[in-house]
Parts: sequence; structure tokens; C-alpha cells
Amino acid sequence: KAGVTQTPRYLIKTRGQQVTLSCSPISGHRSVSWYQQTPGQGLQFLFEYFSETQRNKGNFPGRFSGRQFSNSRSEMNVSTLELGDSALYLCASSLGVGDNEQFFGPGTRLTVL
Amino acid sequence: GENVEQHPSTLSVQEGDSAVIKCTYSDSASNYFPWYKQELGKRPQLIIDIRSNVGEKKDQRIAVTLNKTAKHFSLHITETQPEDSAVYFCAALRSNYQLIWGAGTKLIIKP
Repeated sequence: KAGVTQTPRYLIKTRGQQVTLSCSPISGHRSVSWYQQTPGQGLQFLFEYFSETQRNKGNFPGRFSGRQFSNSRSEMNVSTLELGDSALYLCASSLGVGDNEQFFGPGTRLTVL
Repeated sequence: GENVEQHPSTLSVQEGDSAVIKCTYSDSASNYFPWYKQELGKRPQLIIDIRSNVGEKKDQRIAVTLNKTAKHFSLHITETQPEDSAVYFCAALRSNYQLIWGAGTKLIIKP
């Protein structure tokens, strides 16, 4: 079974631009979660989607948004980029919500100049 | 709000010694507690988890203990090896099915 994939793997943007990141979950997985990880920081939860519905949301500004499609693929969008948005963005998929193992993708490294 | 506190932030142990990482949670309704390991440059991976109906779970050199009354759970690694060097994250599942993560512990194994 193919693992979680994320595209693109690396991205360089300038302040004020917007960016869209994509995550393809493991086949059969219906839940996708997004995390922001900066050097020395932990896993900051952004949001979780299940069956195209946002189930939970972390403490991030409204510039961060996401969606999930009927095939469980998910995208997250960051508008009006700031320097502090530079980070590794990880997505994780699981069979469902709750006590299911999360399988992480390789991440998208976003650099904002 | 609900949070998970993880200690220590950095732990350095001699190869062959044991390592213990502790997490405390605040939501008494939490019933699932996973531990993830993230090696340098790699993605986090589940190494062990425990549900609230058991007090301890073991898998070879690693074990997790849960004290529901005190609302804390711990990861124990025995006979540490160089490949145990990584950042370890604990998490607790809230009643709304959201995982709340600890800040992570960097484990350093000294040769």
C-alpha cells in the first residue's frame, strides 16, 4: 500500500503571497490531519478533516484554511504569507477519527522570504 | 484549554541505561494515549499506544504506563541503543476525538 504523499515537497514564497499544499492519504483512510512543525517546536495542530468535514481546528489564524475532497485527498491554503509561516507542514492520515494510528507524510518545507 | 505537558524537554542517557519520559494531561475524559517517535529528518511514527482500560503495555524494550487517577502516562525505554536517539511525542485523545500533543522530548543516547 502506498504511503501518505504530499506535494510539493519544497516551496519558496514571498511575504503576502498565498500557497496551497496537497496531501494524498493512504488508500481507504478517511481522516486527514495537518500539522505545522518549526525547528525546536513540536507538532502544532492545524485542523482535521473526515469525510469532507472539518472536525477539529487548532489555534491558527483564519489565513490558514483547508478542505477535503470526496476521494479523501486534502489541501491546505495559507493566504497573505508571513515570515513566521516558514515551517515544515505535515499531514497525517488515519482510518477514522479517534484512537486510530496516524500515518504521516514526508511534509512540505515552506520558506517565506 | 486542554493541554498535555511533557517532561523533560531534553533527556541525555548513557547507552544501555533506561530512559523515562512523562506526560500529564488535563482532560479526564481522555481515553487513548499514543507515543510517536521522530528521528532526525524523518516523519513521526507511532511506537506504542495505550488505552484507558489498561495500566501498562509493553513491546520489547519499550513500555507505557498510565495512571488515570493522577492523569499522567509515561514512556519507558530500557537498554537504550543509539537508534533510540530521536524526538518523542506523547498525545492524549480528547472526548471530541482531537489529539492533543505534548511539546516533545529530545532523547540523546551517549555512547
